[in-house]
Amino acid sequence: NAGVTQTPKFQVLKTGQSMTLQCAQDMNHNSMYWYRQDPGMGLRLIYYSASEGTTDKGEVPNGYNVSRLNKREFSLRLESAAPSQTSVYFCATNRDRGSYEQYFGPGTRLTVT
Amino acid sequence: AQSVTQLGSHVSVSEGALVLLRCNYSSSVPPYLFWYVQYPNQGLQLLLKYTSAATLVKGINGFEAEFKKSETSFHLTKPSAHMSDAAEYFCALLTGGSNYKLTFGKGTLLTVNP
Repeated sequence: NAGVTQTPKFQVLKTGQSMTLQCAQDMNHNSMYWYRQDPGMGLRLIYYSASEGTTDKGEVPNGYNVSRLNKREFSLRLESAAPSQTSVYFCATNRDRGSYEQYFGPGTRLTVT
Repeated sequence: AQSVTQLGSHVSVSEGALVLLRCNYSSSVPPYLFWYVQYPNQGLQLLLKYTSAATLVKGINGFEAEFKKSETSFHLTKPSAHMSDAAEYFCALLTGGSNYKLTFGKGTLLTVNP
């Protein structure tokens, strides 16, 4: 089992460009999350999805959109990238029933110039 | 409001010395608390978790943490540091009820000196 996979691993964008970060899981988990990690800031929740077809905003949703395509996949879209969105992005999943543990992907390092 | 505070953004210890990473929390409900570790250029992995059972929780790689309600703390310790323990450590609090969201502290970078 691959667990949680993210593509791409690295990306450089120019200001104003758009892109989609992909996340897929083979753990049959219901909940999925997108975080961004910035130096000295810890991880901050961008969006989450408690189940297929539902999404909700987290702490820092501005400038992002998400799609929960099916149970396995949860994508994060930047419609018009800004330098402030330079960060490392992590996808995570949660089994929901009694475990509370989140499982993280390897991350996508995004630079916006 | 529910929050997590990690005291010390950088902790440096010698190999074989005690590791102590501090975490305090604020929660209006009984907390569920976690420590995660992040090695360079990797994602986060769970070290240990407290979910209202035993207050002394043992995790992987010889780490343990003690939940102290009176001090609203969940400090992470390891008796003897190893070079391989060098990483960033995050304390997290379960928030969001049935949405299982986590609120993370800002992280503590652990350096182990030979």
